[in-house]
Amino acid sequence: SQKIEQNSEALNIQEGKTATLTCNYTNYSPAYLQWYRQDPGRGPVFLLLIRENEKEKRKERLKVTFDTTLKQSLFHITASQPADSATYLCALEGGNGNKLVFGAGTILRVKS
Amino acid sequence: SQTIHQWPATLVQPVGSPLSLECTVEGTSNPNLYWYRQAAGRGLQLLFYSVGIGQISSEVPQNLSASRPQDRQFILSSKKLLLSDSGFYLCAWSVGRVGFGSNQPQHFGDGTRLSIL
Repeated sequence: SQKIEQNSEALNIQEGKTATLTCNYTNYSPAYLQWYRQDPGRGPVFLLLIRENEKEKRKERLKVTFDTTLKQSLFHITASQPADSATYLCALEGGNGNKLVFGAGTILRVKS
Repeated sequence: SQTIHQWPATLVQPVGSPLSLECTVEGTSNPNLYWYRQAAGRGLQLLFYSVGIGQISSEVPQNLSASRPQDRQFILSSKKLLLSDSGFYLCAWSVGRVGFGSNQPQHFGDGTRLSIL
């Protein structure tokens, strides 16, 4: 069956450290993968999109990697800040009509 | 700039009552529009999407329906709500015309928290 898996346990890190979030998928062959941030009670906000032929994408303190062999994307936040605390969702091309399929998200808590 | 509006922010409805949630987008034309439902601790479930006026695709059989009476208006409805319809409903848009698909970011409203009693 098709699955998108993100760490269900919250990630707690210290301010200034690098946070690394994982998105693994099974039985998908996405041409694109996206990452979103969601704050409590709000809608997700788009952060980054990475294509299958791109190994890495950066935007300010954010970095995303996409390994189609491992079927995995890693999302890094360097020099993390308490304001980075949120839920981070990965989403990928579902294949059937090119719809986006979302993971359940990982909660990130950055402590000062 | 583009904006998306969803209302109401919260709604408490009795079982069996009708529902109408509205979503409007400003600052863009012919967007792709989406309705999602998000259960606690779970991913977003796509309910409906639309690539144009009057064009609605349903993703899952359910008690809900959607309509797009105008280019930038998307409405989620139900004739009789069930307890299982409770959840967080999100509307989103993405750039249209370039092809429906995940190569475009989606932009979300702030959602409606629907509680069925």
